[in-house]
Amino acid sequence: EAQVTQNPRYLITVTGKKLTVTCSQNMNHEYMSWYRQDPGLGLRQIYYSMNVEVTDKGDVPEGYKVSRKEKRNFPLILESPSPNQTSLYFCASRRQGTYEQYFGPGTRLTVT
Amino acid sequence: SQKIEQNSEALNIQEGKTATLTCNYTNYSPAYLQWYRQDPGRGPVFLLLIRENEKEKRKERLKVTFDTTLKQSLFHITASQPADSATYLCALEVGAGSYQLTFGKGTKLSVIP
Repeated sequence: EAQVTQNPRYLITVTGKKLTVTCSQNMNHEYMSWYRQDPGLGLRQIYYSMNVEVTDKGDVPEGYKVSRKEKRNFPLILESPSPNQTSLYFCASRRQGTYEQYFGPGTRLTVT
Repeated sequence: SQKIEQNSEALNIQEGKTATLTCNYTNYSPAYLQWYRQDPGRGPVFLLLIRENEKEKRKERLKVTFDTTLKQSLFHITASQPADSATYLCALEVGAGSYQLTFGKGTKLSVIP
């Protein structure tokens, strides 16, 4: 089944403790992206990647890092999480030359 | 940069009626516009894409229009059902030729039996 998977789905952590949220897609898509969704603010893009080893900042990149060493994986790294990073995070992928994005199921992160 | 407004945060409609949702954008007219459905706590799901040279697109009970003069897209669900209750997001490219999308904040549709 074609899908985007994220792990973990739920995470509660403390300020300053480094964490990684994994994202994997099995559709051989070139383009991958991370979003966060907050009440009243909608979906905002954090980082995106056009292909392996090619990443760029979205609208809200501060406090996040990403890497794209393999085509299928695009992990999101929070080196020192803070409470304002409490949010619902979505990974998405898209085939180059098309516009439809496929979203993962989301990761609900709480930073205390 | 592109800005999107979805006029209603919430829309309640009686089952069987047609729901109409609005998406307005500023600045330049995009080459395409997309609509997504999002259920609570889940990722958005792609519904329809309409290109700038298309006035209307249909898929089953869904219809999307795109008016580049008004800078507006309308999303219609005919013969609405309670199962259509969800938040609907419109999305546009961030800049001309960009593959990055910017999303509206969404309209939460509730279909009342």
